[in-house]
Amino acid sequence: GQSLEQPSEVTAVEGAIVQINCTYQTSGFYGLSWYQQHDGGAPTFLSYNGLDGLEETGRFSSFLSRSDSYGYLLLQELQMKDSASYFCAVSSNDYKLSFGAGTTVTVRA
Amino acid sequence: EAGVVQSPRYKIIEKKQPVAFWCNPISGHNTLYWYRQNLGQGPELLIRYENEEAVDDSQLPKDRFSAERLKGVDSTLKIQPAELGDSAVYLCASSWARGQGHSPLHFGNGTRLTVT
Repeated sequence: GQSLEQPSEVTAVEGAIVQINCTYQTSGFYGLSWYQQHDGGAPTFLSYNGLDGLEETGRFSSFLSRSDSYGYLLLQELQMKDSASYFCAVSSNDYKLSFGAGTTVTVRA
Repeated sequence: EAGVVQSPRYKIIEKKQPVAFWCNPISGHNTLYWYRQNLGQGPELLIRYENEEAVDDSQLPKDRFSAERLKGVDSTLKIQPAELGDSAVYLCASSWARGQGHSPLHFGNGTRLTVT
């Protein structure tokens, strides 16, 4: 089975940097993804790490360390529109995608 | 491209009543998923289809839940009879290939079910 841990809430001010950590335990690990979900909306894909290292997409970056079963999502230059829930999700080699409980990010002016 | 379309957006029913949800995936996406999301939690997989074949339904409560994907396109998820604990958001997603990283999932806006 899979288990994922991520903080439940993070609060920061506009322009700040936020790091959301995700640790996981899974059999047949394939990769780590991140999804964003605004209140009442659909989860939307942000990034994917299949190999160790950093992936950068604009203001968002994601990191993976397979040996540590650990990854993080880095949100830079926070904007009010970044207030949302962020989910890490592990892919396993049986093509299953399992989500964490999510981290609610609140951005304050 | 048009996104994943789900209907209805909201549904309120009394317990023991049946309910059905409909999903139209992105054109060309062979893989379709139904997830359930409880308040404050992440989505939990109910069933995954590859074309018209259900390849993973291990988390589907088969005593009351059923799903079908005729012709490998649209899909319906049914609950009969509904219980209070079924209140949740039911999300449909699709992907071009088996959802592995570079084939991310595209989610619909979901159906918010309230069972009273």
